[in-house]
Amino acid sequence: GNSVTQMEGPVTLSEEAFLTINCTYTATGYPSLFWYVQYPGEGLQLLLKATKADDKGSNKGFEATYRKETTSFHLEKGSVQVSDSAVYFCALSTPGNQFYFGTGTSLTVIP
Amino acid sequence: EAGVAQSPRYKIIEKRQSVAFWCNPISGHATLYWYQQILGQGPKLLIQFQNNGVVDDSQLPKDRFSAERLKGVDSTLKIQPAKLEDSAVYLCASRGSSSTSGKETQYFGPGTRLLVL
Repeated sequence: GNSVTQMEGPVTLSEEAFLTINCTYTATGYPSLFWYVQYPGEGLQLLLKATKADDKGSNKGFEATYRKETTSFHLEKGSVQVSDSAVYFCALSTPGNQFYFGTGTSLTVIP
Repeated sequence: EAGVAQSPRYKIIEKRQSVAFWCNPISGHATLYWYQQILGQGPKLLIQFQNNGVVDDSQLPKDRFSAERLKGVDSTLKIQPAKLEDSAVYLCASRGSSSTSGKETQYFGPGTRLLVL
């Protein structure tokens, strides 16, 4: 079946620290992979995506690389800001465009 | 571009009552999704429509949940009768090309927060 497992939180970092949120997936076929972000009081927004192996998605300083050999799509940012405080969801979509989400990782960045 | 609209934003009902949620997707988006997001969990897909046809409803509890998208535009999700464990945020999303990037992506509405007492 299809599923996404992501690092449990909450994660608390100081401003300018390096961020990694781990995500691994199980899928039949060749999924697309996504990171969504939910800022406090707001709806889910697409942060970045990758549609095939070795693709790197990037946006707002965040990056994630689609690793087929390790079935992973870890989210990284070199220097986090207070404004990055949010809940981050890893997700995959099947070729039929069904989406499966991880449980979310809460990030708090302190000044 | 206008986003995905949902109403109501909040609903409180007692168990065994019925409730309905409405979603209006972004204009021109053929694919519409309903998700259930229980507190502390990720969204779980309930049903996916392509135009007015159901693509996937394998995780929809069909004994109490129903959804329709009669004209291939807006959609309603109904729960009848509600149970305590149905307390969650119900998210609607639509999928189509972004007017800015031209790429296909999924856009979420603000959600309806349901509390069943």
